[in-house]
Amino acid sequence: DAKTTQPPSMDCAEGRAANLPCNHSTISGNEYVYWYRQIHSQGPQYIIHGLKNNETNEMASLIITEDRKSSTLILPHATLRDTAVYYCIVRVATNDYKLSFGAGTTVTVRA
Amino acid sequence: GAVVSQHPSRVICKSGTSVKIECRSLDFQATTMFWYRQFPKQSLMLMATSNEGSKATYEQGVEKDKFLINHASLTLSTLTVTSAHPEDSSFYICSARERGSSYGYTFGSGTRLTVV
Repeated sequence: DAKTTQPPSMDCAEGRAANLPCNHSTISGNEYVYWYRQIHSQGPQYIIHGLKNNETNEMASLIITEDRKSSTLILPHATLRDTAVYYCIVRVATNDYKLSFGAGTTVTVRA
Repeated sequence: GAVVSQHPSRVICKSGTSVKIECRSLDFQATTMFWYRQFPKQSLMLMATSNEGSKATYEQGVEKDKFLINHASLTLSTLTVTSAHPEDSSFYICSARERGSSYGYTFGSGTRLTVV
């Protein structure tokens, strides 16, 4: 799987959009970009994933650059409950393929 | 959505004893489940891949005789930490993916193991 690079931490204000960057310059054509988050002492939670096109769901938006070497996860209106470690993972989307976690970005939402 | 139930959520055991952790997919079948370990302030580390009806595949450096994995059915995988020592104290998390789902993996809520 392609490696990813994320900033170790970032702060954002409650109610504002949070933009989380991820670099994956060695991504292959068949690899997807997945985002998960882990709130303290809980199991990780799936947020969103995409291949080439931008994606949006009820939790977040995923913007992938045209060359696919980087992406941005956008939390449109951050709340205190969005404080968590966010992981950007790149992998092929075949069944039963293992998921490897990097260090992630610790996001702290402040009131 | 898919739900993975993990029990117990917390367990304290004495050194030398064994502890079993269960991971169940509640509303879907999972031929493959994954077990992770997470130490404080660190990321998740994959320990092994649990395959229904066959032996688990362990990551390099993980002792298969110490961390016994059984995947007896399409909805249940268990991790047994044998002869536990204080250094085995950690947060253990399982995950699974529903076959054919376009979503990512679903994770259990984790088990906090403390060996005293």
